[in-house]
Amino acid sequence: GESVGLHLPTLSVQEGDNSIINCAYSNSASDYFIWYKQESGKGPQFIIDIRSNMDKRQGQRVTVLLNKTVKHLSLQIAATQPGDSAVYFCAENIDQAGTALIFGKGTTLSVSS
Amino acid sequence: EAEVAQSPRYKITEKSQAVAFWCDPISGHATLYWYRQILGQGPELLVQFQDESVVDDSQLPKDRFSAERLKGVDSTLKIQPAELGDSAMYLCASSSWGAGNTIYFGEGSWLTVV
Repeated sequence: GESVGLHLPTLSVQEGDNSIINCAYSNSASDYFIWYKQESGKGPQFIIDIRSNMDKRQGQRVTVLLNKTVKHLSLQIAATQPGDSAVYFCAENIDQAGTALIFGKGTTLSVSS
Repeated sequence: EAEVAQSPRYKITEKSQAVAFWCDPISGHATLYWYRQILGQGPELLVQFQDESVVDDSQLPKDRFSAERLKGVDSTLKIQPAELGDSAMYLCASSSWGAGNTIYFGEGSWLTVV
């Protein structure tokens, strides 16, 4: 079936570096994408979202890029901090009422100081 | 900041026993979701409610799982009988009704079946 996937299961960076976490999706009907951060033992925490009519959206220290041509989504974290260490999931759905999110497998980000 | 409340946070039960999880969504959120997350994987939808009605329960193992949201507010997810493979985190989430509304998750209920 169609699902959201992530390119790398783990990513290790040094504190202060910029991190890029990638995600590929296969459902061409998906038009709403969300990045979640999940710390150990906790529920997913919303980071940032983007709709398919945009190709870039910025938040505080985070930027999401969407390339619909190749069905690719990325999360950029600027000046990565140890507190950013967590599992990051991208999720997709069709931007209409009543549809649930489909999650990928996640990328574990480890930040060393 | 409003949160999705879940209880219990941790539950250990013997196989074949019954177990129940409770969720109180963010006030005013009409849509409620139950997801299951196996360690190392992304959450997978079990059931979705719109107010008190089930919108999608296609992935809910109905022979042993049941979910209800009788008054359209809080919800209960039950497993009976529990099996070893049910060990996972059960996440509740909620959102306002409508396209593209952010879905907020609770802290989850960890289940260990022994």
